[in-house]
Amino acid sequence: DTGVSQDPRHKITKRGQNVTFRCDPISEHNRLYWYRQTLGQGPEFLTYFQNEAQLEKSRLLSDRFSAERPKGSFSTLEIQRTEQGDSAMYLCASSSPGPASGNTIYFGEGSWLTVV
Amino acid sequence: AQKVTQAQTEISVVEKEDVTLDCVYETRDTTYYLFWYKQPPSGELVFLIRRNSFDEQNEISGRYSWNFQKSTSSFNFTITASQVVDSAVYFCALSALTGANNLFFGTGTRLTVIP
Repeated sequence: DTGVSQDPRHKITKRGQNVTFRCDPISEHNRLYWYRQTLGQGPEFLTYFQNEAQLEKSRLLSDRFSAERPKGSFSTLEIQRTEQGDSAMYLCASSSPGPASGNTIYFGEGSWLTVV
Repeated sequence: AQKVTQAQTEISVVEKEDVTLDCVYETRDTTYYLFWYKQPPSGELVFLIRRNSFDEQNEISGRYSWNFQKSTSSFNFTITASQVVDSAVYFCALSALTGANNLFFGTGTRLTVIP
């Protein structure tokens, strides 16, 4: 039973460069979430997919951020023209809706981004 | 609006002591879920418990117990006989029962268990 996996785990990039993170959810989960966590804070919701449809986006998700889930399986989160304020851990999570699971959300280990 | 407050930023206890982590929440929803997650230094958020708002029974799982009081909007977490492996940041979170069910997290409580 594999959990949510994320790649890369760590990324250091220069300001202005583009970065892309990949997330592979738990295989039977049709919901996928992206969160961002900065030091000393709790994770903050960025966006949510049900299957391949992106159903909700937070105001935190600026125009430089784009997320896709083309076949309803893995997802990518791209940040264009990175800024130092983008330095954070990007967490992917997945869930399966329904009363049995209570939509419990399971998280990956996160992708740490440092913009220098 | 959803809000979760974890007033305790950091707690240190000596091994084998009991410790309670506080969580207070605000929501306009009449039904909702409450969660606790553990985040060890590796970074992964580990699910500990989910509680429905209409189920106010307290729960015990091994050394962990949870006290849900709807009247005071609190969902506190107690670790009995703490161990060094319990050292982590603990997050309380809230979600609606419908829609995206995305989680609203508190700022976390860093627990250090001293051997």
